[in-house]
Amino acid sequence: EIVLTQSPGTLSLSPGERATLSCRASQSVSRSFLAWYQQKPGQAPRLLIYGASSRAAGIPDRFSGSGSGTDFTLTISRLEPEDFAVYYCHQYGTSLWTFGQGTKVEIK
Amino acid sequence: QVQLQESGPGLVKPSQTLSLTCTVSGASISTDAHYWNWIRQHPGKGLEWLGHIHYGGSTFYNPSLKSRVTMSVDKSKNQFSLRLNSVTVADTAVYYCTRVVILGAAAGPIDHWGQGTLVSVSS
Repeated sequence: EIVLTQSPGTLSLSPGERATLSCRASQSVSRSFLAWYQQKPGQAPRLLIYGASSRAAGIPDRFSGSGSGTDFTLTISRLEPEDFAVYYCHQYGTSLWTFGQGTKVEIK
Repeated sequence: QVQLQESGPGLVKPSQTLSLTCTVSGASISTDAHYWNWIRQHPGKGLEWLGHIHYGGSTFYNPSLKSRVTMSVDKSKNQFSLRLNSVTVADTAVYYCTRVVILGAAAGPIDHWGQGTLVSVSS
């Protein structure tokens, strides 16, 4: 089982600032099959990034993903008020899917 | 517009079977482009993959639950279902049905989610 560890647990930032979220895998993620989701309170998660760096349909270009192997990053270039949420990484490169524990981006 | 909607009892007694159905609208469940998938989220916690099913009936389950979980498809109703038997309080969670993109022969990212349904296990 690939364990995904996200850091930091909580990120306190102001609107307009840059957010950098990390997801580290316990072993290499095959074919960079890594996705990022955003979840707001009381809502289902929403796909932001897949294949480590491809934006899903309708996702603003302030969201970007990078990385390969065991280290992946989600960057939000300038935080908008609606971006304060919890973010999860997810690897689907093995038959046993796993998710990170989440990073909460909160308003400072 | 693709929509998924979970339905089923919100309360299940310990040792009994949790049964949920997901109704898909705006897309056919009978497609080789997608798997159909269940994810759960314990209160205040992260996400746990339960398994996925293809309309042809092939299934892939999380090994940690494999002995207790069964998924099925009803093509005539455009629905898929989850059964989890011998539940305990540890199975209390929000259960999401989702659609998964198939990439080659592999399951890809989740591109659509249901709104989720809270199932509590309590006597």
